Amino acid sequence: DARVTQTPRHKVTEMGQEVTMRCQPILGHNTVFWYRQTMMQGLELLAYFRNRAPLDDSGMPKDRFSAEMPDATLATLKIQPSEPRDSAVYFCASASWETQYFGPGTRLLVL
Amino acid sequence: DAKTTQPPSMDCAEGRAANLPCNHSTISGNEYVYWYRQIHSQGPQYIIHGLKNNETNEMASLIITEDRKSSTLILPHATLRDTAVYYCLRNTGNQFYFGTGTSLTVIP
Repeated sequence: DARVTQTPRHKVTEMGQEVTMRCQPILGHNTVFWYRQTMMQGLELLAYFRNRAPLDDSGMPKDRFSAEMPDATLATLKIQPSEPRDSAVYFCASASWETQYFGPGTRLLVL
Repeated sequence: DAKTTQPPSMDCAEGRAANLPCNHSTISGNEYVYWYRQIHSQGPQYIIHGLKNNETNEMASLIITEDRKSSTLILPHATLRDTAVYYCLRNTGNQFYFGTGTSLTVIP
């Protein structure tokens, strides 16, 4: 049963610290998405990649967030420095055509 | 406008059909309509999608109006485990706008 995996599942950190979230897309999927979900804003698209190339990161705060795909099996989302307002659930999704399959999310709390 | 409009909440009796409407009046000819659901704090789960024709799979049926301005997701026999937030989306240039969805509560 192919699934998107995300690590860590939970992260508590202090303001100013660097946070790195990882995602392993489903094997063979060439598109990877990063979303953020909060109660206030709902589910927001931060960035997405196709064939490891970034296609759109307009939803991502550029000054502190960065997203990369070092290889086809790994996508990363980094926040440096983290702030309390970054507290949210971060979801990764992968797709081969247009149907997205989501991971379980990383629950981030920045104190 | 790449958004859709859904009622914020609905109730459905267990065992009955749940019919969840979605308006997408500005949808363009090549945009698919997708439905996802999110149970509690899990990642959204793909349900079904369609372009023009009605679609059915093991989870649900999707009815799209002839003018494609609206659609309805049908869960034929709702169970308590179908309680979730249901999102109707358009695929706009490979971007998905989830909006606020419909919170469906299945009542015993």
